[in-house]
Amino acid sequence: AQTVTQSQPEMSVQEAETVTLSCTYDTSESDYYLFWYKQPPSRQMILVIRQEAYKQQNATENRFSVNFQKAAKSFSLKISDSQLGDAAMYFCAYMEGGTSYGKLTFGQGTILTVHP
Amino acid sequence: EPEVTQTPSHQVTQMGQEVILRCVPISNHLYFYWYRQILGQKVEFLVSFYNNEISEKSEIFDDQFSVERPDGSNFTLKIRSTKLEDSAMYFCASRAFFGANVLTFGAGSRLTVL
Repeated sequence: AQTVTQSQPEMSVQEAETVTLSCTYDTSESDYYLFWYKQPPSRQMILVIRQEAYKQQNATENRFSVNFQKAAKSFSLKISDSQLGDAAMYFCAYMEGGTSYGKLTFGQGTILTVHP
Repeated sequence: EPEVTQTPSHQVTQMGQEVILRCVPISNHLYFYWYRQILGQKVEFLVSFYNNEISEKSEIFDDQFSVERPDGSNFTLKIRSTKLEDSAMYFCASRAFFGANVLTFGAGSRLTVL
């Protein structure tokens, strides 16, 4: 079974600084997708960024970028120019490309605190 | 922007009671999901649903749980006889078509079992 591990239960960053959240995953599949979801105190799940495993180029969305290391099975999220509104729980998630397409496996989450 | 709507936002029930959580997925989406998040824990997959039948279910999704799409818009999760450990946030999600890999989540329904 696929597993997703986030080894940092909590992280903190100063406003305007950069922070990196770590995620590793375990799979024997070659076709899969990786995601970072943000969960603010409202507990809504908001998609931050996604990466297709077949793409070598790292995904970027404005201040958010990923470092996807396929061989190492690592998928970290970098938040640049951190803002107070970035404070939330961040979940790394994996989706298989086969018969379980659409089923997400989540990591344990990392609580991000942003200090003014 | 289209969104997934869930009701109720919060429900309190007594142990042993039946609960129905409702979801209105995005109108042109074809694949539907329920996920659960016990407070302080990770989000867990419960069930996926396509073409009016369950595609996949997790070990959590036992005989106490059922899903259906009674009409063209609603997607419901029923818990027949709630237990204390069913207290959690339940998220509905939908996905557009076969190749779409993005799930859109609803805001969640918080279930408290007393």
